[in-house]
Amino acid sequence: DVKVTQSSRYLVKRTGEKVFLECVQDMDHENMFWYRQDPGLGLRLIYFSYDVKMKEKGDIPEGYSVSREKKERFSLILESASTNQTSMYLCASSTSWGQGVYGYTFGSGTRLTVV
Amino acid sequence: QQQVKQSPQSLIVQKGGISIINCAYENTAFDYFPWYQQFPGKGPALLIAIRPDVSEKKEGRFTISFNKSAKQFSLHIMDSQPGDSATYFCAASKTSGTYKYIFGTGTRLKVLA
Repeated sequence: DVKVTQSSRYLVKRTGEKVFLECVQDMDHENMFWYRQDPGLGLRLIYFSYDVKMKEKGDIPEGYSVSREKKERFSLILESASTNQTSMYLCASSTSWGQGVYGYTFGSGTRLTVV
Repeated sequence: QQQVKQSPQSLIVQKGGISIINCAYENTAFDYFPWYQQFPGKGPALLIAIRPDVSEKKEGRFTISFNKSAKQFSLHIMDSQPGDSATYFCAASKTSGTYKYIFGTGTRLKVLA
């Protein structure tokens, strides 16, 4: 069964801490994404990557950075966590267009609370 | 130009009824429209998707209706069941260039037994 695995289901961090959220996929997908999900706001794209070491900003990149050193792993970094970054974080991966399979595969999410 | 507007925000339906969720988009370059289903504690999962060359796609009890001229598409769940209770997201994307979805804000569906 193909998977996107997020390393933590729940995290509690203190304001100002540097936080790492890890995501690993086993489908050899080119594209990987980080979203945050908040009630009433839906899924908002933070960053995405379409190749190793490549990254592009999404709609809400402020306060975040990412790293993709290997194809299967995409990390989201909160440089200095703040309470307004308390949210559900979802990682997803996908193949590229032209390979006939267009859907995203999501992980189960990491619920981050910043206190 | 990049928004996808989804309504309603929440929906309560009796068992056996029809659930209808609507989405509207602005960018005429979008040519792929998926729906995702998310259960509590899980990530969203692809439910059904449509390309604009057809006006309707059906998979079991789930149907997407697509109106290209109105730039609208909708999800119909026939014979709704309590197990369909979930949050549903519509999305839109272009199948060229960067593979990036624009998601709607989600609809929380509750089907009463």
